[in-house]
Amino acid sequence: EPEVTQTPSHQVTQMGQEVILRCVPISNHLYFYWYRQILGQKVEFLVSFYNNEISEKSEIFDDQFSVERPDGSNFTLKIRSTKLEDSAMYFCASRNRISNQPQHFGDGTRLSIL
Amino acid sequence: SQKIEQNSEALNIQEGKTATLTCNYTNYSPAYLQWYRQDPGRGPVFLLLIRENEKEKRKERLKVTFDTTLKQSLFHITASQPADSATYLCALDGGERSDAGKSTFGDGTTLTVKP
Repeated sequence: EPEVTQTPSHQVTQMGQEVILRCVPISNHLYFYWYRQILGQKVEFLVSFYNNEISEKSEIFDDQFSVERPDGSNFTLKIRSTKLEDSAMYFCASRNRISNQPQHFGDGTRLSIL
Repeated sequence: SQKIEQNSEALNIQEGKTATLTCNYTNYSPAYLQWYRQDPGRGPVFLLLIRENEKEKRKERLKVTFDTTLKQSLFHITASQPADSATYLCALDGGERSDAGKSTFGDGTTLTVKP
């Protein structure tokens, strides 16, 4: 069964550095999402992406964050200048349409900011 | 603001019994509701989706009900097994009512099935 893949599985970065988290969504999917989950807390929506542009973003997704779909397969999340509070699991998800179809999640990237 | 509550953080049951998990929500009219399973260090895995005009959905040992009047969904695992031990997440989705189709998650209920 096709799945969403994310790399790296674990990223350790110094505060203030830039990080890029990578995702390969399921190939025929059109809608893409990033979520994060701080340890012990709920899964939180960050941003959605459709037709090569952001559809919606949450308050968490400030100017330090950006997303890109540089080619037909990858979907990336960039954090320009990381802060300690950015430490979390970051999940990518995709779906082929909004109506009555679930999102399929990757296994996440654990981001640790030192 | 939207609020999603799942019953007690932890639920412990004996193998073979039926586990019942609850998801209540306020200030939201979801187009559909999803249940996911999450194991430690892993991403959410989709289990079942139920639409606002559906009352019940089944898949093997799983059953979900959806009552939009009570604003509640119940998730049942019958004949539970130790392998069912995990955190179960309820997620509401506005579907085509929202531009993005984002999902809003509850805190999750951690189920432990004891042999």
